Amino acid sequence: QVQVQQWGAGLLKPSETLSLTCAVTGGTFSDFFLAWIRQSPGQGLEWIGEFDNSDTANYLPSLKSRVSITVDKSKRHFSLSLTSVTAADTAMYYCAALRFFFDPSRHRFSIYEDYWGQGTLVTVSS
Amino acid sequence: EIVLTQSPATLSLSPGQRATLSCRASQSLSTHLAWYQQKPGQAPRLLLYDASNRAPGIPARFSGSGSGTDFTLTISGLEPEDFAVYFCQQRGSWPSYTFGPGTKVEIK
Repeated sequence: QVQVQQWGAGLLKPSETLSLTCAVTGGTFSDFFLAWIRQSPGQGLEWIGEFDNSDTANYLPSLKSRVSITVDKSKRHFSLSLTSVTAADTAMYYCAALRFFFDPSRHRFSIYEDYWGQGTLVTVSS
Repeated sequence: EIVLTQSPATLSLSPGQRATLSCRASQSLSTHLAWYQQKPGQAPRLLLYDASNRAPGIPARFSGSGSGTDFTLTISGLEPEDFAVYFCQQRGSWPSYTFGPGTKVEIK
């Protein structure tokens, strides 16, 4: 059974660096894309970035200069770093392990199963 | 960036009724669209991928259709646990796998 557990600091001051980590237990680690998503209070969902099976990280363009997703395969951990935070970065942050398959008829990957962390509420306030 | 629009914003229905939710994309997605369910205090959960395929463990009352720019999520008979917020998400165009703003299905 796959489970995802996340942790990290929930209260930051402006200009500090947000740092969150997720651990994936169960399953085959290489079967997953690893993603970070955030949700501002009372707002919708925003895809921050994703680490895929080619060891490539893709990021939301508006955050690209400040964000980094790293993966430690030996520990089955993946982490999010977001520098120079402001109040606008206040949100619930989720990590997700996304099980994928390759569809040869479409020459692309599809996500067919997801496992999410419990979420970390990050508040940026002076 | 592809923009997703969902309608209605809120759907008020009774248990047992049929729910029909719409998601419209600003550009063609082929069938690269997913639907998620989110309940208060919980992370989202994948319901459907590639527009019409149910994720493992998702009941058959959830179905999806559409391609290109217009997609529909149908819940054939609402169960009490189905009252939640539903988001569509496009996976047709990186670098931004955008979500729609959501449709809240509430008890009438």
